[in-house]
Amino acid sequence: QPVLTQPPSSSASPGESARLTCTLPSDINVGSYNIYWYQQKPGSPPRYLLYYYSDADKGQGSGVPSRFSGSKDASANTGILLISGLQSEDEADYYCMIWPNNAVVFGGGTKLTIL
Amino acid sequence: EVQLVESGGGLVQPGGSLRLSCAASGFTFSSYWMSWVRQAPGKGLEWVANIKQDGSEKYYVDSVKGRFTISRDNAKNSLYLQMNSLRDEDTAVYYCARVGSGYDYGHWGQGTLVTVSS
Repeated sequence: QPVLTQPPSSSASPGESARLTCTLPSDINVGSYNIYWYQQKPGSPPRYLLYYYSDADKGQGSGVPSRFSGSKDASANTGILLISGLQSEDEADYYCMIWPNNAVVFGGGTKLTIL
Repeated sequence: EVQLVESGGGLVQPGGSLRLSCAASGFTFSSYWMSWVRQAPGKGLEWVANIKQDGSEKYYVDSVKGRFTISRDNAKNSLYLQMNSLRDEDTAVYYCARVGSGYDYGHWGQGTLVTVSS
């Protein structure tokens, strides 16, 4: 199974934006996959946030605020989760995910700290 | 309201077996793919297995192939994971998750802890 690379940690202040990345291996084209994003807080199961394929094909999880959004950087073969207007409650672990060939692959996760 | 409730976790010795269950309610269970996802203590999420609505297709992560078996009983609205030849590295919280129409995991259970230790 392929490996999705996420920075282990990121930090930002309240009101700022956070840009979390998920880099796919070179043999998997980010343009060919939905990128799914999940948020997990300590002691809780993951929460589905959104998926992003393109600007014309994207979806938000139920009850997820619009300040969570997705995008891609094709030149870097990377999926991106952008969180704008950061709040203290956004402090959590964030995981990306793809579905290649009937299997599922998660990234290693990024711990987002709100300063 | 969609509910997924896992059970069956516990302490087991290396080489032992355990069967996890996931009771589903609040939706038409037989209409959805289902998955098991695990999380070792302090680590990230790892997909374990998927099963199609009628059980005719099953997929596994390489590390559990030949040792774990995913199954379901649509009449009982239940998902199962039979785990044999357990190893220390199988220690994790095991979540059952529903695969949404967009292939998202929109619903998760609270998880059940499996500890493999002598």
